[in-house]
Amino acid sequence: DQQVKQNSPSLSVQEGRISILNCDYTNSMFDYFLWYKKYPAEGPTFLISISSIKDKNEDGRFTVFLNKSAKHLSLHIVPSQPGDSAVYFCAARENTGGFKTIFGAGTRLFVKA
Amino acid sequence: DTGVSQDPRHKITKRGQNVTFRCDPISEHNRLYWYRQTLGQGPEFLTYFQNEAQLEKSRLLSDRFSAERPKGSFSTLEIQRTEQGDSAMYLCASSHQGVMTEAFFGQGTRLTVV
Repeated sequence: DQQVKQNSPSLSVQEGRISILNCDYTNSMFDYFLWYKKYPAEGPTFLISISSIKDKNEDGRFTVFLNKSAKHLSLHIVPSQPGDSAVYFCAARENTGGFKTIFGAGTRLFVKA
Repeated sequence: DTGVSQDPRHKITKRGQNVTFRCDPISEHNRLYWYRQTLGQGPEFLTYFQNEAQLEKSRLLSDRFSAERPKGSFSTLEIQRTEQGDSAMYLCASSHQGVMTEAFFGQGTRLTVV
């Protein structure tokens, strides 16, 4: 069963515009959420995270929003740059005992110059 | 410290052979994780160590898979009697101990079973 779902396999955005990547989860015990970025032939790189006690976290061009009641989070990239083209993984963790992180299938972002 | 290091980067093996991968985590990290990633999917959790203790194993980790972290530093992942379905990218990650911590990933070992 997929506990973390990224329903859009790909997204194409014009340079300078906003990119919005979405993620849904089913496990109400998740209380820490992360976004990773992955370039080809590299491992995933941590981008930004949010605790369940917050509804927004911002780091430069990247903002993550969390809607706990809807079990939904999103990553906003503003302004988008060609170098942002990569696969973005949403991930979630239950911080009760185990610390395994569950990943979504990823969304491939294309930022066109 | 340049990050999480995995060796080898690529491995091609014949079905039925055994393979072993190595992961060197970031030196001050006491948590180490193994994940597997197949095409079009996100990383799937396999197992997790805190220091030398293996604390959790996924049901994906069949009895042909074994992982060790003997001195709480580097870790090895061995696959015995490889099958074509084992072909995947095997990722290692490490993190500090703590509740709100992110894991840092290595570049992975790509296994191809022919």
